[in-house]
Amino acid sequence: AQTVTQSQPEMSVQEAETVTLSCTYDTSENNYYLFWYKQPPSRQMILVIRQEAYKQQNATENRFSVNFQKAAKSFSLKISDSQLGDTAMYFCAFRRGNTPLVFGKGTRLSVIA
Amino acid sequence: KAGVTQTPRYLIKTRGQQVTLSCSPISGHRSVSWYQQTPGQGLQFLFEYFSETQRNKGNFPGRFSGRQFSNSRSEMNVSTLELGDSALYLCASSFSPGGRSQETQYFGPGTRLLVL
Repeated sequence: AQTVTQSQPEMSVQEAETVTLSCTYDTSENNYYLFWYKQPPSRQMILVIRQEAYKQQNATENRFSVNFQKAAKSFSLKISDSQLGDTAMYFCAFRRGNTPLVFGKGTRLSVIA
Repeated sequence: KAGVTQTPRYLIKTRGQQVTLSCSPISGHRSVSWYQQTPGQGLQFLFEYFSETQRNKGNFPGRFSGRQFSNSRSEMNVSTLELGDSALYLCASSFSPGGRSQETQYFGPGTRLLVL
């Protein structure tokens, strides 16, 4: 079974600074998808970024980018120019084919003014 | 396009009662998945429906059931509620044309269930 590990339960960052959230996963599959979701205090789960495993190029979405290391099974999220609205729980998730999403335990990020 | 909608948003029930939660997916999405989120267990998969058929099922007791209608709307039902069923229930939809996975799931705002 696939597992996803987020080793940082909590992190904080100063506004306008850069922060990196870590995620590792375990799978024997070659084709799969990885995601970062954000869950602010409203509890709405919002897709931040996704990465297809067959793509070597790291995904980027505005201030959000990933460092995907397939061989190391690592998928970290970098948030640049952090904003107060980035304060949220961040979940790393894995999906292969039609199987359900497997989530990590989450990292609580606080952006400090 | 409108996002995933869930009703009701909040619910308070007592032990032994049953509850039905509803989820309307994004227009055109045919797959609906349900997740339970609790502080202790995190996000756990309940089940997924595609074209009115259950495609995947998580490790939950038979008190948890679901269904999907021809318009892709889905409901989940929990019978004989227990205190431990208090949680945020999240619904997610994805495209899945021809049954193939379109990997990205989009989530609704959730239903907060409190069992007293």
